[in-house]
Amino acid sequence: KAGVTQTPRYLIKTRGQQVTLSCSPISGHRSVSWYQQTPGQGLQFLFEYFSETQRNKGNFPGRFSGRQFSNSRSEMNVSTLELGDSALYLCASSSLLNQLGETQYFGPGTRLLVL
Amino acid sequence: AQSVTQLGSHVSVSEGALVLLRCNYSSSVPPYLFWYVQYPNQGLQLLLKYTTGATLVKGINGFEAEFKKSETSFHLTKPSAHMSDAAEYFCAVSEGRGNNNDMRFGAGTRLTVKP
Repeated sequence: KAGVTQTPRYLIKTRGQQVTLSCSPISGHRSVSWYQQTPGQGLQFLFEYFSETQRNKGNFPGRFSGRQFSNSRSEMNVSTLELGDSALYLCASSSLLNQLGETQYFGPGTRLLVL
Repeated sequence: AQSVTQLGSHVSVSEGALVLLRCNYSSSVPPYLFWYVQYPNQGLQLLLKYTTGATLVKGINGFEAEFKKSETSFHLTKPSAHMSDAAEYFCAVSEGRGNNNDMRFGAGTRLTVKP
């Protein structure tokens, strides 16, 4: 079974631009979560989608948004990029909502550099 | 809210020596506990997890962890380190309540293995 895939793997943008990242979960998984990983803040939860609905959102500004399609693929968008948005963005999928100790499977991440 | 503290941001061991990575958690309910490993430029890979039942959990690559409720700890061990174990390790806790993605990660411990 193929793992979680994320595209693109690397991205360079300039301040003020917007970016869209894509995540394809493991086949059959309906939950997709997004995390931001930075050296200073570590791993921080962005949001979780289940069956095309955002179920929970972390403490990030409205510039960060996402969506999930009927095939469970998910995209996240960051508008008006800031230097501090430079990070590794990780996507994780699970078969159920992240509850009852459900295992999340992570993709390789998209490394975003904002200049 | 639950939280995780990983003691020691860097741990260095010699090849063949015992690996001990420390993790303490706080949670208002019985927690679900996870250890993930991250190799350079890759996503997180689940090593092991504790949900219920036996408190000694065996994972992949010879790692194991013991859930000690009285000490609120979930330390990761491996009897004999290999060079390939060099990576960053993350402990995570989840209370698995309802629809919330409540997984919280520790700051990570970077393991170095010396020949």
